[in-house]
Amino acid sequence: DAKTTQPPSMDCAEGRAANLPCNHSTISGNEYVYWYRQIHSQGPQYIIHGLKNNETNEMASLIITEDRKSSTLILPHATLRDTAVYYCIVRKTGGFKTIFGAGTRLFVKA
Amino acid sequence: GAGVSQSPSNKVTEKGKDVELRCDPISGHTALYWYRQSLGQGLEFLIYFQGNSAPDKSGLPSDRFSAERTGGSVSTLTIQRTQQEDSAVYLCASSLAPNDNYGYTFGSGTRLTVV
Repeated sequence: DAKTTQPPSMDCAEGRAANLPCNHSTISGNEYVYWYRQIHSQGPQYIIHGLKNNETNEMASLIITEDRKSSTLILPHATLRDTAVYYCIVRKTGGFKTIFGAGTRLFVKA
Repeated sequence: GAGVSQSPSNKVTEKGKDVELRCDPISGHTALYWYRQSLGQGLEFLIYFQGNSAPDKSGLPSDRFSAERTGGSVSTLTIQRTQQEDSAVYLCASSLAPNDNYGYTFGSGTRLTVV
């Protein structure tokens, strides 16, 4: 599976949009981009995934560049409860395991 | 059940003892995964089960670690002759199938402390 690069940490003001970047320059055509987050002392939680089109659900939006070499997870109105480690992962269609990197530690501040 | 259930939630054991960690996946989920997370670290893949296929054991750190999945449902992760470096949170996850492109659902983990 392709590797991803994320900033180790980011800050965001409560109520503002949090934009978390991810680089996956070696992604191949059959690899999806997934995002998970892990709130302190809990197991990771699936957020969203996409192939090449932008995706939106009740939690977040995923913007994937046209060349698919990078993506951005957007939390439109961050709250204090969104403070967590956010993992960006690429995974093959039919891939059998997900390898988690170090992620981005997002601090949402009041 | 509604989610992935792991037991015990906490386990303290003496160095050299064997421990068993249990995972109940979501009903109907055919894929099951074990990860571990040491304090302040990321998730380390351990093992993956899919249906009746041979498990992918490529992440097991040593032969002291083994896992079973009986009847395609409940899984047990066994650590023999525990060492202090085995102290970590052991997380189990399940998904509908490996290639369904859905996300995993994780349990809350078992916090193992080897003293």
